Amino acid sequence: EAQVTQNPRYLITVTGKKLTVTCSQNMNHEYMSWYRQDPGLGLRQIYYSMNVEVTDKGDVPEGYKVSRKEKRNFPLILESPSPNQTSLYFCASSLYGFGGTGELFFGEGSRLTVL
Amino acid sequence: GENVEQHPSTLSVQEGDSAVIKCTYSDSASNYFPWYKQELGKRPQLIIDIRSNVGEKKDQRIAVTLNKTAKHFSLHITETQPEDSAVYFCAASRNSGNTPLVFGKGTRLSVIA
Repeated sequence: EAQVTQNPRYLITVTGKKLTVTCSQNMNHEYMSWYRQDPGLGLRQIYYSMNVEVTDKGDVPEGYKVSRKEKRNFPLILESPSPNQTSLYFCASSLYGFGGTGELFFGEGSRLTVL
Repeated sequence: GENVEQHPSTLSVQEGDSAVIKCTYSDSASNYFPWYKQELGKRPQLIIDIRSNVGEKKDQRIAVTLNKTAKHFSLHITETQPEDSAVYFCAASRNSGNTPLVFGKGTRLSVIA
């Protein structure tokens, strides 16, 4: 089954404790992206990747890191989480390298709470 | 960069009525305009999209219209049903370079039975 898989789905952590949210897709998509969703603010892009070893900042990259060492995986790293990073996170992928002109397939979301 | 404004932020309609959600964009080079639906507790999913070479596209009860001159596009849902209740996001992008999709802030549609 074609899918985007995120883990963990739910996480409660404390300020400063490094964490990684994994994202994997099995559709051989070139484009992958991370979004955060907050009430009233919609979907805001954190980072995106056009292909392996190619990543770029989105609208709200501060406090996050990403890497794209393999085509299928695009982990999101919070080196030192803070309470303002409490949010619902979505990973998404798309077939086309441009990213913007093909259907985005979203993972199920990861709800992160930073105390 | 691209900026997408979406209105209204919330919309309530009676079952069977029509619903219209409007979006404007700022980048005249944008040429791809998808709409995503997010049901409560679920992931966003593409429901319809339109490219700049057409002015309207329909899929059963859903239609999207595009006015490139005015830089706005709209989602129309006819004969609304309770299962249409969800948050709807519009988005825009252009098919060139590193230009990712930019989303509007979303519209929460409630269909009242």
